[in-house]
Amino acid sequence: DIQMTQSPSLLSASVGDRVTLSCKASQSIYSSLAWYQQKLGEAPKLLIYSANSLQTGIPSRFSGSGYGTDFTLTISSLQPEDVATYFCHQYYSWPTFGAGTKLELK
Amino acid sequence: QIQLVQSGPELKKPGESLKISCKASGYTFTDYAMQWVKQAPGKGLQYMGWINTQTGKPTYADDFKERFVFSLETSASTAYLQINNLKNEDTATYFCARSTTDYWGQGVMVTVSS
Repeated sequence: DIQMTQSPSLLSASVGDRVTLSCKASQSIYSSLAWYQQKLGEAPKLLIYSANSLQTGIPSRFSGSGYGTDFTLTISSLQPEDVATYFCHQYYSWPTFGAGTKLELK
Repeated sequence: QIQLVQSGPELKKPGESLKISCKASGYTFTDYAMQWVKQAPGKGLQYMGWINTQTGKPTYADDFKERFVFSLETSASTAYLQINNLKNEDTATYFCARSTTDYWGQGVMVTVSS
């Protein structure tokens, strides 16, 4: 199975900060990558698919980039409601998830 | 609107069985496969597999080939996850999600304890 490695595991940032989360695949997954936001006690919410396509209804401060093995989720201006855990997910081959990045307010 | 509504929380003893439901509405059930994802307490997401909603054929991840059964009641737009011979390590929240992962159920918290 393809391993997905997310970093950092914990990120503290202030409201208004530009935040960057990383996800690395153990082999090329081309653009077959999604990002999810999960708040405590809720189901994951799809933010980005195909590495850089914004899901309908998701604020434009969220963006995704990358190709092959290295991917990034960027929040251009952090808002209090963005406190959550973020997971990457590859679906190029048998689906696997990263372990997550927990984003908290400083 | 599109919704996936799952059944309620479960408290079971080791060795028992359970069956979780996931009722879809707002779209044509057979247009999308249904996936199942496990999340142990405080942990990440683990992909369990999916079921083809047109043929009923399930596909399981290696960790879920033994005691887990995916099934359908197509007339009711409902998918099911059955877990047999429950073990303590099955304690988790179980999510259904349609294949495009744009819609998820709210999750079912399963607790296995003697």
